[in-house]
Amino acid sequence: AQSVAQPEDQVNVAEGNPLTVKCTYSVSGNPYLFWYVQYPNRGLQFLLKYITGDNLVKGSYGFEAEFNKSQTSFHLKKPSALVSDSALYFCAVRDMTRGNKLTFGTGTQLKVEL
Amino acid sequence: GAVVSQHPSWVICKSGTSVKIECRSLDFQATTMFWYRQFPKQSLMLMATSNEGSKATYEQGVEKDKFLINHASLTLSTLTVTSAHPEDSSFYICSALPGGGRTEAFFGQGTRLTVV
Repeated sequence: AQSVAQPEDQVNVAEGNPLTVKCTYSVSGNPYLFWYVQYPNRGLQFLLKYITGDNLVKGSYGFEAEFNKSQTSFHLKKPSALVSDSALYFCAVRDMTRGNKLTFGTGTQLKVEL
Repeated sequence: GAVVSQHPSWVICKSGTSVKIECRSLDFQATTMFWYRQFPKQSLMLMATSNEGSKATYEQGVEKDKFLINHASLTLSTLTVTSAHPEDSSFYICSALPGGGRTEAFFGQGTRLTVV
């Protein structure tokens, strides 16, 4: 079975400071890893993904994530947070050997304050 | 590209009636679509996987006779909540997988269903 853990329900950061949203995963095969963002009463927007290759992947709106196989982590980062980044962030994993089903973490609410 | 449109954005219905939610991939063909349910401040719960031209695959605990899914074409899947009750009130989200080497799914904007 595949699973995703987002250990923090909420992350608070001051605007202009770097941010990190944590994610760890568990799959039996090789993972496809994704980050999505959700604004209130909206669907999910794709931010970035890791499939293979460089461990550091860059995505939309200045976000990036680092794949760490030994720690089974895929933390989302941004060098300088904006108030407009405040939203709910979901990490998701897909076991590439077990079809197309995505498993989501419980989500982390990011709050960026002035 | 890769836009998924979900309609309606919100709906209020009376108990006992049925509601249909549409999910369309606007600029790509999706052989596989997914339906999720999201409770307030919680993650997405996969309800079913919809494949074009075949029956949907439901997750354990999801009533297939209550949540009817039809994937009639490569660009349209529908979810019908039959005989709706207040406990069916929720945020329903669809997603579509473009295929053709693309690995990320794209999501509709969601439908807020309120059953009164």
